[in-house]
Amino acid sequence: GQNIDQPTEMTATEGAIVQINCTYQTSGFNGLFWYQQHAGEAPTFLSYNVLDGLEEKGRFSSFLSRSKGYSYLLLKELQMKDSASYLCAVKGGSYIPTFGRGTSLIVHP
Amino acid sequence: DVKVTQSSRYLVKRTGEKVFLECVQDMDHENMFWYRQDPGLGLRLIYFSYDVKMKEKGDIPEGYSVSREKKERFSLILESASTNQTSMYLCASSLSGVSYEQYFGPGTRLTVT
Repeated sequence: GQNIDQPTEMTATEGAIVQINCTYQTSGFNGLFWYQQHAGEAPTFLSYNVLDGLEEKGRFSSFLSRSKGYSYLLLKELQMKDSASYLCAVKGGSYIPTFGRGTSLIVHP
Repeated sequence: DVKVTQSSRYLVKRTGEKVFLECVQDMDHENMFWYRQDPGLGLRLIYFSYDVKMKEKGDIPEGYSVSREKKERFSLILESASTNQTSMYLCASSLSGVSYEQYFGPGTRLTVT
């Protein structure tokens, strides 16, 4: 089986930095995805990590440690529009992604 | 630009009705998926398909069936709708291969009364 854990909710201030963690236990590993989902909308792809280390993409970065079963999504210079749910999804040995329950991020002025 | 469309944004059905949810993608993706999304439970996989006429059960297939007669179209069928199937249903597609992300449709909010 697969187990993916992320915090349910986080709050942060506009302009700040926030780190959303994801821990996982899977049979096999073929990559970890982060998606963003605004309320009432479809999830959209943010990042993919399969090797250890940090991947930077503008204000968003994603980190992976395979030995620790751990990833985080780092959002810098937070904007109000970053208020959304952030979904961690892991491809285990079956190649089918399993999603965590999502982290709801609230950015306030 | 990949586009995944779903037949309805909102649907209200009665208990016992047969319900069809349609999903179409326009980017020739091999893989298609049906999820339901419930508060506090996240996205749960119902069924997926990796090719025409091929289907595999996901984590919660009970009460659902699927059909994929053409590559671009993946249908979810609720044979006899029940109130516990009230949910947001999301369709997704992707290319084959481990590194490819999923593209999601806008979702269908189904209410069964």
